[in-house]
Formats: sequence, C-alpha cells, structure tokens
Amino acid sequence: GAVVSQHPSRVICKSGTSVKIECRSLDFQATTMFWYRQFPKQSLMLMATSNEGSKATYEQGVEKDKFLINHASLTLSTLTVTSAHPEDSSFYICSARDRTGGDYGYTFGSGTRLTVV
Amino acid sequence: QKEVEQNSGPLSVPEGAIASLNCTYSDRGSQSFFWYRQYSGKSPELIMSIYSNGDKEDGRFTAQLNKASQYVSLLIRDSQPSDSATYLCAVNDQAGTALIFGKGTTLSVSS
Repeated sequence: GAVVSQHPSRVICKSGTSVKIECRSLDFQATTMFWYRQFPKQSLMLMATSNEGSKATYEQGVEKDKFLINHASLTLSTLTVTSAHPEDSSFYICSARDRTGGDYGYTFGSGTRLTVV
Repeated sequence: QKEVEQNSGPLSVPEGAIASLNCTYSDRGSQSFFWYRQYSGKSPELIMSIYSNGDKEDGRFTAQLNKASQYVSLLIRDSQPSDSATYLCAVNDQAGTALIFGKGTTLSVSS
C-alpha cells in the first residue's frame, strides 16, 4: 500500500534554531499534503494544507512565517519550524493523499517528536 | 467551526467483551467518516471508513453511521489486550479535504 516516509522521527533542538521535517511518498504521487500537530493527550490539529507547486494554506492561528511548508514535488513535502521555542515541542505528523483517493487515500507518516530545549 | 466530539474515556472492558466507541460531529455536510487507532507515540492507523448510513463490518470491527443524528460509532467484538489504544474519529466534508479529528477515546482491554 501507499507509504509516506517521515524523517526525523525524533529531534531535540535548542531554542531559537530551526528544524526541518521531511515527508516523502514512496510509491505514489502526493498531490496534497496535510500537516498536523498533536500535543500530549490532545487530538491531531490541522496546521496547513499544501498542494504540489503552490503555496500552503494555513489554518487560523498557525503562523505561516514560523512554520514554512514546501511542496515542490509530488513526492516530497517539508515543514520547517523556524526559531523554535519550547512551546513548539509537539508531535508533528504529515498525511498525504494520493491521486487515486478512495478509502485509503489518506496515508500518514510515522510522525516527528520535536523537543525544543 | 467544525467539531468532532468523543468521550475521552478511559473505556475499560475485559478481554473478549464488546467495546463501543462513539463520536458526534457538528457539520451536517460531512461526507466521509473514519476510525483510526493510535498507539502511544505512534501515528494513526486506519481501521475503517464509512460513507453511508447503516453498518459496515470488517472482521471484529463494525462501524455504524447515522447522518440524521450526526453520530458514528465503532464496535470492537472479542476485544483483545492488543486493542488497547486511543481511537480517533475523523470526518471530512469533501473527498480530498483535510480530516478533522476528535480528541480520541482511550480503550483499555484487561486480560
């Protein structure tokens, strides 16, 4: 089935630095990528939606200059957390939708645990 | 504001029992409904999807949808300790749009 490879799985960074998270669709073309954030014991909150070759659409309250999303190809989307602060510590998960859609059209990456110290 | 509501639990059932998980949603325009299972520290994995009113069965799992009541449920028969996880209900209003998730219900199956 469709696989989305997400890296890194865990990252610890210092406050003020930037972190890049990558999601690659391995066996399908991801026309749309969704980025979610999940705090402990909370649900997945949609941060942004990106379509290949166009600018991402951010949800209300998500700073687009802080969370930079690039979806330059059909197999790669990246999320860069710029000037990270401890409150950005969270579990970030990408979800890709392949061209065929359907029941299994939403494939999730394995997630990235970000800890900002 | 589109909302998906779930009882956070924990829901505790003995091994072999039926676990019943419930979800309500606010957007009457919702078209697709999904149940995901999430183990601690892991990303969600799809259990079932349902689009039409009624029941849909897959092995030990049965999803039930009632659009008039804006209600969707998941029944797990013959619950196993390995079913212990958080179950997330998710909906969307159009094919291809982002899924909106509930907070999840934590299920604990005791042996």
